[in-house]
Amino acid sequence: AQSVTQPDIHITVSEGASLELRCNYSFGASPYLFWYVQSPGQGLQLLLKYFSGDTLVQGIKGFEAEFKRSQSSFNLRKPSVHWSDAAEYFCAVGPMNTGFQKLVFGTGTRLLVSP
Amino acid sequence: DAGVTQSPTHLIKTRGQQVTLRCSPKSGHDTVSWYQQALGQGPQFIFQYYEEEERQRGNFPDRFSGHQFPNYSSELNVNALLLGDSALYLCASTKRGTDQPQHFGDGTRLSIL
Repeated sequence: AQSVTQPDIHITVSEGASLELRCNYSFGASPYLFWYVQSPGQGLQLLLKYFSGDTLVQGIKGFEAEFKRSQSSFNLRKPSVHWSDAAEYFCAVGPMNTGFQKLVFGTGTRLLVSP
Repeated sequence: DAGVTQSPTHLIKTRGQQVTLRCSPKSGHDTVSWYQQALGQGPQFIFQYYEEEERQRGNFPDRFSGHQFPNYSSELNVNALLLGDSALYLCASTKRGTDQPQHFGDGTRLSIL
């Protein structure tokens, strides 16, 4: 069965500190991998995606993620967190079948940023 | 360039009623997917439309139905509403045959009383 696990429901990070959000997936074949961010009352904004190639991908807002096939992980990182990064973060996987991207999402990690 | 637009933004219904939610895809996109996001959960895939036909469906009952129009816009219909249908309904669009990821709208917040 296809599934995504985000083990941390909440994470609190001090402003300026580094951040790592964990994501593990279970998928029958090599998947496409995504990180989305959701601010309160809004839809999902794509931060970054991994399709193939370099396993370290760069996204918007200074985020990056590393794909580790052996660990079935796709962790999101940011070297220095800003207060505006406080939001809900979702990891998602989809099949390598362009145009039919049924996404399976994790339950999300809520990021709180302390002064 | 308009992104994915959804209407209405908020809706309140009572049990047993039916509801129609609307979505206009991002310009240049032809495939529309619908997701249900319950409070505190990640989005769950409902179904996907391409060329005015349902192409994939998630684990949702037949009370959930949809439609896609020739201009690629889409509707989500839910009949016999239950309290458990209260959720944020998200529409996402993409271009079939490309590696473009799905772009999401801001959603419709549906509350069932």
